[in-house]
Amino acid sequence: DIQLTQSPSFLSASVRDRVTITCRASQGLSSYLAWYQQKPGKAPKLLIYAASTLQSGVPSRFSGSESGTEFTLTISSLQPEDFATYYCQQLKSFPYTFGQGTQLEIK
Amino acid sequence: VQLVQSGSEVKEPGASVKLSCSTSGFIFTSYAMHWVRQAPGQSLEWMGWINAGNGVTKYSQRLQDRVTITRDTSASTAYMELSSLRSEDTAVYYCARSAASLWSFDYWGQGTLVTVSS
Repeated sequence: DIQLTQSPSFLSASVRDRVTITCRASQGLSSYLAWYQQKPGKAPKLLIYAASTLQSGVPSRFSGSESGTEFTLTISSLQPEDFATYYCQQLKSFPYTFGQGTQLEIK
Repeated sequence: VQLVQSGSEVKEPGASVKLSCSTSGFIFTSYAMHWVRQAPGQSLEWMGWINAGNGVTKYSQRLQDRVTITRDTSASTAYMELSSLRSEDTAVYYCARSAASLWSFDYWGQGTLVTVSS
């Protein structure tokens, strides 16, 4: 199975901060990586697919990048509604594993 | 696009549960439907998928002896049955859609809480 390691697990930040979350894969993913946002009691919401393509309707302050087996999700200027848990997911091969999550909290 | 899941379930250990995911707003048979679960306070675990067009399935090796995913194309609905329930199966279960290109799970159901308790 492909392992995904997210860092950090917890992140405390303020409104208008720039934050970056990293996801490292145990093997190459050929850009088959997606990022999701999940708020308490809600289903995950797709933010980024194919490592760097913004899902329709997602604000442009969200962006994704890829360098080898390291993927990053960047929020350029945090807004109050961005405080949530973020997950990466690989879709390169079965089983379609998720990272352990990054909980983004208000400082 | 809507994915609407069935309601919460409480089951005893050893029982089975069958959840449904009713879809609308897209051509059901042109997509794959996945089931993902999330235990309390934990990350997401992919359980399996079904090609809604041809019915081909693939399951997580960890669950493949206990999980069955089916679909009813006439009702645009996917189902997930999990047998031999144990306390560790207590979780919120989600259905999600992906296109054939499989770049992401772009729409998700609202989730169904399954509680396994004696």
